[in-house]
Amino acid sequence: EAGVAQSPRYKIIEKRQSVAFWCNPISGHATLYWYQQILGQGPKLLIQFQNNGVVDDSQLPKDRFSAERLKGVDSTLKIQPAKLEDSAVYLCASSPPLYRVNTGELFFGEGSRLTVL
Amino acid sequence: GQSLEQPSEVTAVEGAIVQINCTYQTSGFYGLSWYQQHDGGAPTFLSYNALDGLEETGRFSSFLSRSDSYGYLLLQELQMKDSASYFCAVRSFQKLVFGTGTRLLVSP
Repeated sequence: EAGVAQSPRYKIIEKRQSVAFWCNPISGHATLYWYQQILGQGPKLLIQFQNNGVVDDSQLPKDRFSAERLKGVDSTLKIQPAKLEDSAVYLCASSPPLYRVNTGELFFGEGSRLTVL
Repeated sequence: GQSLEQPSEVTAVEGAIVQINCTYQTSGFYGLSWYQQHDGGAPTFLSYNALDGLEETGRFSSFLSRSDSYGYLLLQELQMKDSASYFCAVRSFQKLVFGTGTRLLVSP
């Protein structure tokens, strides 16, 4: 079974530039998550989709971050314009709806490491 | 909202047993998960406790006390490859919120 795919793995940009990250979840997983992980910290949930609807985006900085999951499968996270503090690993994860399977297991991709100079 | 507390770092030697504690504050608690993350790698799921008690999976065990808002991960027969960061994560209805992580250093 293929895992969660993310690209690009690494990206270096200058502040005020824009960047986009792509995620393809495990086939059949209705729920898709974007987490931001700053070095030395735990993953922080930015946005959670169920199919193509947003479940939670309370911690997404909406003035600069946007995300979409138009067809309920793959997803794109965009940052525009980037700030220095956006340097982090952006992790995509997927799962069946947690309430349906009664678990706390998410399946993570390898992440996209962003450096903003 | 949710908050979780874990020790920032734990050190141990090969073959030893180590316990990583996690205390949490949350509304709408459904369960506690544990994840392992090696440097530069993705978090990988280790265990999930929805009910009080101990769950054992090979060398790893996880414990939950809902009344104390407390859980721990127990790692036995430590190996060098267990050097990694370990995160507890609280599950609300549909959401998973991660702690700040505990860095485990295993020495020979």
